[in-house]
Amino acid sequence: AQSVTQLDSHVSVSEGTPVLLRCNYSSSYSPSLFWYVQHPNKGLQLLLKYTSAATLVKGINGFEAEFKKSETSFHLTKPSAHMSDAAEYFCVVSGGTSYDKVIFGPGTSLSVIP
Amino acid sequence: DAMVIQNPRYQVTQFGKPVTLSCSQTLNHNVMYWYQQKSSQAPKLLFHYYDKDFNNEADTPDNFQSRRPNTSFCFLDIRSPGLGDAAMYLCATSHLRDEQFFGPGTRLTVL
Repeated sequence: AQSVTQLDSHVSVSEGTPVLLRCNYSSSYSPSLFWYVQHPNKGLQLLLKYTSAATLVKGINGFEAEFKKSETSFHLTKPSAHMSDAAEYFCVVSGGTSYDKVIFGPGTSLSVIP
Repeated sequence: DAMVIQNPRYQVTQFGKPVTLSCSQTLNHNVMYWYQQKSSQAPKLLFHYYDKDFNNEADTPDNFQSRRPNTSFCFLDIRSPGLGDAAMYLCATSHLRDEQFFGPGTRLTVL
């Protein structure tokens, strides 16, 4: 079965320090992987995506993620957190066991301390 | 601009009174999705269409139905809303296995 695990339900960092949000997936095939962000009372916005090209993916607002097939991971990082990064982050897997199946992770809430 | 449009943005209904939410897209994507999102939770996939092929999630209640009359439009019908159905309903579209484009959502209140 296909699944997505976000290891931390909540992460708190100080402004200017690095951010690491962890995502692991299980899939029988080579999936596409995405990170979405949702600010309070706002819609979902794509941060970045992996679709079988380069394993290190750069996204918007300084975020990047590395696809590691051997570890079945797709962790999201940012070198320096900004107050505006405080939001909910979702890791999403698409096309794993079924060509059109989409699975959302449970989400990680990121807090940024001034 | 190409986009995903949801109407209405806010819907208030009474317990048991049927309601229909609509979604339209100008992106010409072949996949359309309906999600339910409750406060502080991840979006929960209800069903999706790949072209005209309908795919229902196993745990989607029978109370929820969907129609996709053409590529551009998709509807979510809630036949007898209960208090537990109050939520944000999100429509999304994509090409197969590619990023999803989300609409702004419809906030459903059940009185």
